[in-house]
Amino acid sequence: GEDVEQSLFLSVREGDSSVINCTYTDSSSTYLYWYKQEPGAGLQLLTYIFSNMDMKQDQRLTVLLNKKDKHLSLRIADTQTGDSAIYFCAAKTSYDKVIFGPGTSLSVIP
Amino acid sequence: KAGVTQTPRYLIKTRGQQVTLSCSPISGHRSVSWYQQTPGQGLQFLFEYFSETQRNKGNFPGRFSGRQFSNSRSEMNVSTLELGDSALYLCASSASSGGTIEQYFGPGTRLTVT
Repeated sequence: GEDVEQSLFLSVREGDSSVINCTYTDSSSTYLYWYKQEPGAGLQLLTYIFSNMDMKQDQRLTVLLNKKDKHLSLRIADTQTGDSAIYFCAAKTSYDKVIFGPGTSLSVIP
Repeated sequence: KAGVTQTPRYLIKTRGQQVTLSCSPISGHRSVSWYQQTPGQGLQFLFEYFSETQRNKGNFPGRFSGRQFSNSRSEMNVSTLELGDSALYLCASSASSGGTIEQYFGPGTRLTVT
């Protein structure tokens, strides 16, 4: 069935770049998303990429999509303590359902 | 612009009862989607409504239903509640235009089933 996988934890030093990786199974996925969830602050759509794109840059965020390997990554440049949160990868399948990964908990060490 | 509102914020129900949750989207947004978040299953997509029509549905039993009104407000209903329905229910309001997607989430309704 459709599935989205991502590593559960990532720890980086403040000022370094963070890279969160994600793999998905539905090769016909149309949209891939990154969400951020901070304690007490709700869920936020961080960025997204259409399946016909390889890369998208949005300020400190860079999304890379490798359709052949069904691999998505989110790079956060100059990571700050305010970036500490859980990051969810999600894929919109060919049936228009959205499948979420388990979330990666990013800890930024000052 | 007012954000997405969900009511109630907290709810305690007993097994076997039914519950209705409400979501008011951002003004001008015609799409509302619902999600369930639990520690065990994570985030799961429930359904999406657009202009009063259900566009797609996740893998949930028929006890979970929803609807959308002409003013884009949406409700979801869970009948015959089970302990496993205890979760944070999130709704999101979205719009897309010219290849740009805008999506905002409400604070959620925390449902506890005892």
